[in-house]
Amino acid sequence: NFMLTQPHSVSESPGKTVTISCTGSSGSIASNYVQWYQQRPGSVPITVIYEDIQRPSGVPDRFSGSIDSSSNSASLTISGLKTEDEADYYCQSFDNNNHVIFGGGTKLTVL
Amino acid sequence: QVRLQESGPGLVKPSQTLSLTCTVSGDSITSSDFYWSWIRQSPGKGLEWIGYMYSSGNTYYSPSLKSRVSISVDTSKNQFSLELRSVTAADTAVYYCARVYEVWHWFDPWGQGTLVTVSS
Repeated sequence: NFMLTQPHSVSESPGKTVTISCTGSSGSIASNYVQWYQQRPGSVPITVIYEDIQRPSGVPDRFSGSIDSSSNSASLTISGLKTEDEADYYCQSFDNNNHVIFGGGTKLTVL
Repeated sequence: QVRLQESGPGLVKPSQTLSLTCTVSGDSITSSDFYWSWIRQSPGKGLEWIGYMYSSGNTYYSPSLKSRVSISVDTSKNQFSLELRSVTAADTAVYYCARVYEVWHWFDPWGQGTLVTVSS
């Protein structure tokens, strides 16, 4: 089964840049679109990136997405970190059977 | 503005069936560009996709839940529903419904979620 693997946690200081990876277990992650969701404690997930690199309206351009076929991974980069960015981040894609897969989530701490 | 709202019992006994409904406003559940999906999140855990259905009636389920899950639609009420049979404590979770853009498999928007506890 296709899986998406994320680091369990990352931490960085305010104002810095952090990158969260999402690695596909097989096949090509570039074959199907990847989304990224932010979930603050007690809140509903919201989209920060869809279609690999697109930002929904209202999401600041400090958030960016990318795909690296050589490492079969997607990445979410957050620049100019703010304390409000502290949250869990999930990548999501789907497989060739139209089944959805979520990564295990990454806890971002801004300290 | 599209909004989704989950409803249903917050407490279900072990071995019984969990039933939830998602009411959609601001969009038609028969729209051909979207799937309609259920996702859950156990306490302190990550997001788990349960399944979705297309406007044609086609359904897709998580392989790990497929034997116990059904998703159905009531177009007259603009609602879709989840049934999860033979529940155990491991099915205790916040259950979300969401609209899914077919092209990108992008979940947006999400409902507020409803906590379902499985306990006797």
